[in-house]
Amino acid sequence: QVQLQESGPGLVKPSQTLSLTCTVSGGSISSGSYYWSWIRQPAGKGLEWIGHIYTSGSNDYNPSLKSRVTISVDTSENQFSLRLSSVTAADTAVYYCAREVWSGYYPHYHYNGMDVWGQGTTVTVSS
Amino acid sequence: EIVLTQSPGTLSLSPGERVTLSCRASQSVSSSYLAWYQQKPGQAPRLLIYGASNRATGIPDRFSGSGSGTDFTLTISRLEPEDFAVYYCQQYGSSLFTFGPGTKVDIK
Repeated sequence: QVQLQESGPGLVKPSQTLSLTCTVSGGSISSGSYYWSWIRQPAGKGLEWIGHIYTSGSNDYNPSLKSRVTISVDTSENQFSLRLSSVTAADTAVYYCAREVWSGYYPHYHYNGMDVWGQGTTVTVSS
Repeated sequence: EIVLTQSPGTLSLSPGERVTLSCRASQSVSSSYLAWYQQKPGQAPRLLIYGASNRATGIPDRFSGSGSGTDFTLTISRLEPEDFAVYYCQQYGSSLFTFGPGTKVDIK
C-alpha cells in the first residue's frame, strides 16, 4: 500500500524559501499513470492546489503561485519536492502531498482523484 | 479559472438523516474531472467520489455523486456518526485544480 510522508522545516523566515519533500513508500513513484501534487490549507480554511509533477518532469502550477513555485522529482529517491520562494505570513499553512490517478489515452483522459495523501506538515512563516 | 461554489456552508443534522450537498461551477466542468473529498479535523482529505459519480475504493454505498455541466451533488443516504465532517468538491480544467470552499456537516 502506497504511503506518502511530508518532511521539512516547520518554521521559515519571511522572504526565505520554503522547502518540503514528499517520500513515497510502498510503491515506485515511476509506476502507473500518476501525477504527484502539493496542496496547502491555512488553519481553519479551505484547500488550495499548488501544483503537480509527472515523473517525466512535466508539471503545472497554480497561476496564483507560479512565479514562486518549483516542484521537482527524484525517481532514484522515490521523492518529489516543493520549493516556494519569497514566503510571507500568508504562506503559513498545512502542506499536503498527494497522488493523482489518471486513466485513459490521449485525448480522452479521465481523472480518478487524489487517492493517497500524506498526513500533512505545518509550516509557519515567522521571524 | 473555474470557481466552485458549495452550498450550504454548514448543515446541522442528526444521524440517520439524508444529506444533499451542492457544488456549482462558474463554467461547465467535464464530469470526468469532478471529485469529492471528506475531511475530518486534524486529518488529510479522503477521496470519496471521482468522475462525478464513481465511488473510490472502500467508500460505503451510502455515498453517491451525480450531476453534470455546472451543477454537481454529493448525497449521503443515511448519515452515520463518522460522516460528520467537511466536504469539498474539486475540479480539473485548463491544467489547474480548484476546490470549493467546503460544506461542514455537523451534529444537530
